[in-house]
Amino acid sequence: AQSVSQHNHHVILSEAASLELGCNYSYGGTVNLFWYVQYPGQHLQLLLKYFSGDPLVKGIKGFEAEFIKSKFSFNLRKPSVQWSDTAEYFCAVNAGGNTGKLIFGQGTTLQVKP
Amino acid sequence: GAVVSQHPSRVICKSGTSVKIECRSLDFQATTMFWYRQFPKQSLMLMATSNEGSKATYEQGVEKDKFLINHASLTLSTLTVTSAHPEDSSFYICSAPRGGLYYEQYFGPGTRLTVT
Repeated sequence: AQSVSQHNHHVILSEAASLELGCNYSYGGTVNLFWYVQYPGQHLQLLLKYFSGDPLVKGIKGFEAEFIKSKFSFNLRKPSVQWSDTAEYFCAVNAGGNTGKLIFGQGTTLQVKP
Repeated sequence: GAVVSQHPSRVICKSGTSVKIECRSLDFQATTMFWYRQFPKQSLMLMATSNEGSKATYEQGVEKDKFLINHASLTLSTLTVTSAHPEDSSFYICSAPRGGLYYEQYFGPGTRLTVT
C-alpha cells in the first residue's frame, strides 16, 4: 500500500533560519507529489507540486522542494523562514492513475519564533 | 481563486442521531469530490470519492452504510454520518479538483463533529 512519511512532527525555528522538512513515500510507479500548508484556523492550501520535469520545483512564498526519485523523497525547503510561516505542513502523494486520490503524511507543525 | 465551502463548521450531536455535512464548490463545477477525516494530531485519511450522478467509492475499512455520501449536483456533495457515536467525533474535510485538473485540489475549511 502507498504511504507517506514525514520525519519531523514538530519543528521550532527562529526567524531567518533555514527550513527543511523531510517527506518520503512508498510507491514504485509514477507519482505526483504535493506540499500543502494549513495556517491556523484556515483550510489547506497548495504550496507546490511536482508532476514531471525539473525535480526542483518552486512554490509560493519562497518555498521549494526537490524530488529525488532514487530516495523516494520530496523534501520541502525555505532558505529563511518568517514568523508568518508558522503552520502545519503536509506532504501528499497521488499515485496509481488519474483518480485524484491523495495520500497524506502525518503533518509537521512548524513554529517560527519572532 | 477556487473556493470550497463546508457547512456547518462545527456540530455537536447526541449519540444515535444523524448529522449531514455539506461541501460546496463555490466558483467551479466538480464532478468528483473527496471526503477526508482527520483525527487530532494526525494526518488526513481519505474516506471516499464522491461522484456526481453515481455511487460514491469508499476506501477500505470505511463503512458505506454509516457514512452516506450524496453528490446531487455539480457543486454539492453531502456526507451524512448515520447513528453517530462518540468514536465518530472528528474533523471532516472535503476537497474538489477544479475542471480537469485532477491533481489540483481545493480544500474546504473542515467540519468539527462532536458526538456526545
